[in-house]
Amino acid sequence: QSVLTQPPSVSGAPGQRVTISCTGSSSNIGAGYDVHWYQQLPGTAPKLLIYGNNNRPSGVPDRFSGSKSGTSASLAITGLQAEDEADYYCQSYDSSLSGSGFGTGTKVTVL
Amino acid sequence: QVQLQESGPGLVKPSQTLSLTCTVSGGSISSGSYYWSWIRQPAGKGLEWIGRIYTRGSTNYNPSLKSRVTISVDTSKNQFSLKLSSVTAADTAVYYCARAHSSGWGNWFDPWGQGTLVTVSS
Repeated sequence: QSVLTQPPSVSGAPGQRVTISCTGSSSNIGAGYDVHWYQQLPGTAPKLLIYGNNNRPSGVPDRFSGSKSGTSASLAITGLQAEDEADYYCQSYDSSLSGSGFGTGTKVTVL
Repeated sequence: QVQLQESGPGLVKPSQTLSLTCTVSGGSISSGSYYWSWIRQPAGKGLEWIGRIYTRGSTNYNPSLKSRVTISVDTSKNQFSLKLSSVTAADTAVYYCARAHSSGWGNWFDPWGQGTLVTVSS
């Protein structure tokens, strides 16, 4: 039922760069709505990681960056660290919901 | 800074109504241009937006839940609430409340409450 599609999992060695894609449609990302990203560590609530496509809240390391193009968006993690092992979700406004839609979620594993 | 805390029964019987409250501390629920939202997550699954309320009273609900959901706000108590009627086992999930920031091109959630597990079972 998610309106945004993400790969189920991505992995990388410490220090590497990984990217997570978020594919939407003309009712959300393609309509120009912003994309936001959340990090969910095991057993905890999601935490805002990126807002407005490419803005980091205070306290979020600059290893995390976001981008958006067309009907898709991406989250990049550079210099991957063990503490980055978590689930990541994208989110955008969707006109068919008249509200927010989330991505399917991606589990990041640090090898 | 603003903090949110969910409260309510952890066990609800099938066909009954799930009721949760989110208490906002560290700031007034009426200040700023925020939407106050509910989001849920079944065990091992993704996030689902339930709905939101603006402190002036307007609401929006996920179409898939709209017939069963009511979100209300009590500014005097700095709280907002969720009611979900006719629950089934499929409504078993961790329920989060969150503050939604709004821009001209959508909104994002920050902060979130810690979440509360609601189990639907007889």
